[in-house]
Amino acid sequence: QSALTQPASVSGSPGQSITISCTGSSSDVGYYNYVSWYQQHPGKAPKLMIYDVTYRPSGISDRFSGSKSGNTASLTISGLQAEDEADYYCSSYTSRDSWVFGGGTKLTVL
Amino acid sequence: QVQLEESGGGVVQPGRSLRLSCAASGLTLSSYGMHWVRQAPGKGLEWVALISYDGSSMYYANSVKGRFTISRDNSQNTLHLQMNSLRGEDTALYYCASATGWSFDLWGRGTLVTVSS
Repeated sequence: QSALTQPASVSGSPGQSITISCTGSSSDVGYYNYVSWYQQHPGKAPKLMIYDVTYRPSGISDRFSGSKSGNTASLTISGLQAEDEADYYCSSYTSRDSWVFGGGTKLTVL
Repeated sequence: QVQLEESGGGVVQPGRSLRLSCAASGLTLSSYGMHWVRQAPGKGLEWVALISYDGSSMYYANSVKGRFTISRDNSQNTLHLQMNSLRGEDTALYYCASATGWSFDLWGRGTLVTVSS
């Protein structure tokens, strides 16, 4: 159950777009379309932003989008806003009836 | 208001046990599979366990298998996590989260478990 690989940090200016990658293996990200993304502000609980690779829950801005290619999933945030500054985690279901998270990416809005 | 609220955390010595609970309000737990997810101080998220909506199936992370037991009482709209043989590396904020499909939908605010002598 190795963690998925995410960049430790990314940054962007307001209005720009950023992409956070999440690399797994053929046993998780590459095999299942069950990748989800979570936003966590300091001292707060995580919040579901994207599920099943590309779907947004009700109430989530369409500035957030997800995709996948092979063993790598990606979260793109367009029109970056100050409130987007947070930690972001990816997660995937795995072939071992378990779930695995990425190590997290700190997004800084410059 | 739909929310989950964890309780039962605290400071415990290595090797001892602790039982966490997660109470739901505005949400019928019996309709959902439920997860426990933990986060060590300053670290990332780690999945711990899942129980199916009816309690018939349970799944565990290798790091807790054989030591932790997830259970639920749908009549009380409550989820539990029995943690035995606790270790220092179990120190974390423990969240309960509802399972919607294959993702973690609604999260509680967490309860802190500190394993220390």
